Amino acid sequence: AQTVTQSQPEMSVQEAETVTLSCTYDTSESDYYLFWYKQPPSRQMILVIRQEAYKQQNATENRFSVNFQKAAKSFSLKISDSQLGDAAMYFCAYRGSGYALNFGKGTSLLVTP
Amino acid sequence: NAGVTQTPKFQVLKTGQSMTLQCAQDMNHEYMSWYRQDPGMGLRLIHYSVGAGITDQGEVPNGYNVSRSTTEDFPLRLLSAAPSQTSVYFCASSSMRGGPETGELFFGEGSRLTVL
Repeated sequence: AQTVTQSQPEMSVQEAETVTLSCTYDTSESDYYLFWYKQPPSRQMILVIRQEAYKQQNATENRFSVNFQKAAKSFSLKISDSQLGDAAMYFCAYRGSGYALNFGKGTSLLVTP
Repeated sequence: NAGVTQTPKFQVLKTGQSMTLQCAQDMNHEYMSWYRQDPGMGLRLIHYSVGAGITDQGEVPNGYNVSRSTTEDFPLRLLSAAPSQTSVYFCASSSMRGGPETGELFFGEGSRLTVL
């Protein structure tokens, strides 16, 4: 089974600064999808960004971007110009040939004024 | 846009009681799944389904049953609740038809279950 590792249980960033959340995964597949989900205190799971493994270009969504290193099996999330509303739990997730997502244990992001 | 609807949002049970968490989606998604979320554990897959009449076990299936009689509904049954099943439960669905949403899971709002 594929494993997803988020090595940072908690991170902190000041407003307007940039923060990077780390994610590594273990797989023997060559074609797969990677995701970052955000879970604010409301508990709702919100898709932040997705990356298809066959695409070499890193995905971006406004202030959110990823650094996808396929050979290193690394998929980090960069949040630029951090805002108070970015405070949440962030989950990295992997989807291979099946349809289930395997999630990491999450990183809690605190944004300070 | 309803998306994925879970009920109830909160429930308290006594050990040994049974209950059903309801999940319905209106996006005509073939794939539906149930996860549980526990502190420090992320989300773990309980059961999933790839279509009506087809279900399979995930990582933590013990103590739970599912069925899929229609495309829209995927209820999760706790047969005899135990304190270890205290958790937040999420239903999620996904299209299997390809396209720009490929792979994305759409989540319900979660159900917090406490077993005393």
